[in-house]
Amino acid sequence: GQQVMQIPQYQHVQEGEDFTTYCNSSTTLSNIQWYKQRPGGHPVFLIQLVKSGEVKKQKRLTFQFGEAKKNSSLHITATQTTDVGTYFCAGRDFNKFYFGSGTKLNVKP
Amino acid sequence: DTEVTQTPKHLVMGMTNKKSLKCEQHMGHRAMYWYKQKAKKPPELMFVYSYEKLSINESVPSRFSPECPNSSLLNLHLHALQPEDSALYLCASSHPGEVAGENEQFFGPGTRLTVL
Repeated sequence: GQQVMQIPQYQHVQEGEDFTTYCNSSTTLSNIQWYKQRPGGHPVFLIQLVKSGEVKKQKRLTFQFGEAKKNSSLHITATQTTDVGTYFCAGRDFNKFYFGSGTKLNVKP
Repeated sequence: DTEVTQTPKHLVMGMTNKKSLKCEQHMGHRAMYWYKQKAKKPPELMFVYSYEKLSINESVPSRFSPECPNSSLLNLHLHALQPEDSALYLCASSHPGEVAGENEQFFGPGTRLTVL
């Protein structure tokens, strides 16, 4: 069954508001990746985190990997309509690779 | 060239048909993947090839048969599928790691399969 859960499932924001999605695993992850899938599109790699407590930034996006390597978050500052899509975390524990359940972001102009 | 191509884009088949999905990349990646994605769900890993050898089969039914003829091509042969197999089938490639999910994956646009 699904071992990497994301919350919230859906998020509707006004353009300019911030957005955060959380990824939680029942087991310790070797690494965590984040992907974005636009409506009707395919997943596109955003970033990979490997180290405990790691924080990485990409312009308005901030990614964190928890100290216990069981959770991660993606924060978007001042959302834009181009941020619309579903954000998936993906992680590996031992030899199994999972995508999280995803958070669908809608941004109202 | 950072593109993964997949053909066909759409496929409709009956339960008695035999069809194949094709995937191609020219990024020099030696790991290739098949995923299945149902509507509003995350991609589910099906198969992983590393250096043209099958390294992971996530307990996929035998009606799905993968093939990696060379380092640039990946096929998925379909036979006697069920309506519940209707989904978006995504191909991806990456530099090979010791295990799946170790490196950035590049996804193709997918084949939308409908089984009648």
